[in-house]
Amino acid sequence: GAGVSQSPSNKVTEKGKDVELRCDPISGHTALYWYRQSLGQGLEFLIYFQGNSAPDKSGLPSDRFSAERTGGSVSTLTIQRTQQEDSAVYLCASSLVGQVVTKNIQYFGAGTRLSVL
Amino acid sequence: AQSVTQLDSHVSVSEGTPVLLRCNYSSSYSPSLFWYVQHPNKGLQLLLKYTSAATLVKGINGFEAEFKKSETSFHLTKPSAHMSDAAEYFCVVSEGGSQGNLIFGKGTKLSVKP
Repeated sequence: GAGVSQSPSNKVTEKGKDVELRCDPISGHTALYWYRQSLGQGLEFLIYFQGNSAPDKSGLPSDRFSAERTGGSVSTLTIQRTQQEDSAVYLCASSLVGQVVTKNIQYFGAGTRLSVL
Repeated sequence: AQSVTQLDSHVSVSEGTPVLLRCNYSSSYSPSLFWYVQHPNKGLQLLLKYTSAATLVKGINGFEAEFKKSETSFHLTKPSAHMSDAAEYFCVVSEGGSQGNLIFGKGTKLSVKP
């Protein structure tokens, strides 16, 4: 597609349930990023993929969070046993990655708004 | 370690008056700096970027920013605000390279009064 696509746009779930958030990057972009935007916390980096591998998982807040990417394209962020503090907007971005920084502009999707009741 | 400080959480201007959104950064290396804008319920959109070329960077919608290494600043300006500029603006730093995750400031909400 023309841009980064995320689904669902909104997700309401009950505490303790698992959720899956999906990201379709821009075609041809090899790098994919997940961020979380919470009230009062700003935007925080969660995880980065180069192809299907994740060299940087440093931002995942707990072992309840995991992500995978298959075929160098679609990525899924999974949150197990959701807690109320997981409520946030989860943003996905993709970029062309190279040694030249100008190729590393990240393009963002509209996000998934997760509400944990 | 990299960090970004947006000095104002909220800025309010009248339509037609200048906009100034302030940003200071800290970086161990030559940083790349960005401004992103987020309209309500929309994704983040890149306004402009600095990557060690010209220090005065022009972006979309009439915005520009000046990189001042001596002041470690990258303030965003626009000569004349428009109602459609009301949004949240994020100053972002990246050390780039093959990894290049972004470090975001906490955002500045811009309100434009008629």
